[in-house]
Amino acid sequence: ETGVTQTPRHLVMGMTNKKSLKCEQHLGHNAMYWYKQSAKKPLELMFVYSLEERVENNSVPSRFSPECPNSSHLFLHLHTLQPEDSALYLCASSQEGADTQYFGPGTRLTVL
Amino acid sequence: GESVGLHLPTLSVQEGDNSIINCAYSNSASDYFIWYKQESGKGPQFIIDIRSNMDKRQGQRVTVLLNKTVKHLSLQIAATQPGDSAVYFCAENGAAGNKLTFGGGTRVLVKP
Repeated sequence: ETGVTQTPRHLVMGMTNKKSLKCEQHLGHNAMYWYKQSAKKPLELMFVYSLEERVENNSVPSRFSPECPNSSHLFLHLHTLQPEDSALYLCASSQEGADTQYFGPGTRLTVL
Repeated sequence: GESVGLHLPTLSVQEGDNSIINCAYSNSASDYFIWYKQESGKGPQFIIDIRSNMDKRQGQRVTVLLNKTVKHLSLQIAATQPGDSAVYFCAENGAAGNKLTFGGGTRVLVKP
């Protein structure tokens, strides 16, 4: 349960706000991921960082900006979001080259 | 972490009975499969995985079966307990890179 942590757990923001989501992994992994889980769709991969370099950006709008300062931390910077961006944002980590991903508890984001 | 609003298939199981959750995958190149459990308000939790060189793998009260011929994966839960109530996702690694492709999930409801 504490291998991957995410803060905050809940966030309510207006469309003009800027906020950041934080993820930290304590598993010694070197690949990290952001996923979006919304009410009407299965898990959607947003970004992948491997060895601190972004290796995947699945056509995510520029209002979402990831940052990976080191292999243990991952951020998702949010600005001028839309109500349809309301969702559960999940962070995961894995060892580079390994398939098994371990998830954090998620941040429940509501955009008003 | 629940997929509220997503029309998930639901399996209602009597406490103590066995549960079988099914998943069809489409990518013949997938050689790794994983099952996750997601309880309300939490992120997906790893349950069990299997590689394509196996057709069965057992864990504690769980068994995963893989039929590569028909591209079918199943998760069996023995003696289902109230704590097993959750949404269960399968995932496969057929896409390039460190990417898992997730299914839509099945909701399991355990009746006392």
